[in-house]
Formats: sequence, structure tokens, C-alpha cells
Amino acid sequence: GIQVEQSPPDLILQEGANSTLRCNFSDSVNNLQWFHQNPWGQLINLFYIPSGTKQNGRLSATTVATERYSLLYISSSQTTDSGVYFCAGKDDKIIFGKGTRLHILP
Amino acid sequence: KAGVTQTPRYLIKTRGQQVTLSCSPISGHRSVSWYQQTPGQGLQFLFEYFSETQRNKGNFPGRFSGRQFSNSRSEMNVSTLELGDSALYLCASSHGYEQYFGPGTRLTVT
Repeated sequence: GIQVEQSPPDLILQEGANSTLRCNFSDSVNNLQWFHQNPWGQLINLFYIPSGTKQNGRLSATTVATERYSLLYISSSQTTDSGVYFCAGKDDKIIFGKGTRLHILP
Repeated sequence: KAGVTQTPRYLIKTRGQQVTLSCSPISGHRSVSWYQQTPGQGLQFLFEYFSETQRNKGNFPGRFSGRQFSNSRSEMNVSTLELGDSALYLCASSHGYEQYFGPGTRLTVT
């Protein structure tokens, strides 16, 4: 079955809006990470969050390991937040979800 | 600390040729992993090296190989290139579970 699944696949928001991205993962997957891929392809670390909640400025993430999901919150979106957001977990290897493509309109 | 570096950043090759990509991890990181990213397949794990030993391998043909040197720098090689090998190749280093990625090498096969 699907080991790391992200939703929604695409999201278009107006600047200033808030958004929630979701990542569901299988029992065998742990050590969740969230990344932002910029337009040049670089994957930027956002959070390493195997469980619990972390915050960094306008971004925060929560992983509920017992229920096998993680959420990434972006508040007061800016155009620079546009890009693809990936979650990834580790089974015997790192497995990525297919990503959420976020487009913030000015 | 300097981040993960990858060379070259861009590469154009012809079908049938071979290519070698290089990755220098963050200082002190002994684990290096490689990934292929294509629009159709997304991000796929190629292999992981730790202390010069391949620790794990993804589902790629034997044309894809890699190695790691004693200074933790890693190379990956793709032989007999096919059009479908056109992709962004990403390298990541880690000290524990958290992965840190380089900027990638964009390979185009014509």
C-alpha cells in the first residue's frame, strides 16, 4: 500500500491566507521530515518532526505518530512560500510523498 | 558549516554515454544518499552509503552505481545512458535521521 501520501496535490491561495498540508504515513514509516522545494530544485529542510509540534516563524508542524499523520501549517502566506512541499519518512530507506504544489497569488 | 555540494550542476549527455556525479556532504556527516527526481516518478531513492559501504539500495537497474570515499564524498555513475535517465539527481547527507540536501545535478540525455 501507499507508504507516504500527501494532500492536497495542488493548492492555490491568496497572499495572507493560511494553509494546512497533510501527510499520511504507513506503520513502517517513521522519522518524518518536511521539505520545501524551491524553483531551482533545492530541497530546503523545514522540520524534522517524528512526533509532537514544532514552530518556526509562520510555519509549524505537528506529527501524531500514533495516528500516522503529520500536518504542516503555513500562516499569513507570502508569494515566496510558493513551491512544492514534500514530506518524507524512513522505512528501511527514505520515502517521499508526491508533494503538494502550493501557489500563492499576490 | 558549508552545506552539501554537488557537481556539476548541469550536464547534457548523449544516449549510450556514461556520467559521473559528485557529492560532498556536510563536514562530519558520514551518510550520503542519492535520489532521482522526475516529473513522472517523483523523488525516488537510489542508494545510501555510510562509511564507504552501501547500506541500502533502491529499485534501479545495475547501470546505476555509486561509491563513497574515506572522506565521505560520494560519486554516482550511470552507464549506457537512456533518455529516461534525464532527471534531477539529488544528494543528501545526514548525521542521524535528518537529511540535508544539496542543490542537485540536472542531467539531460539527448
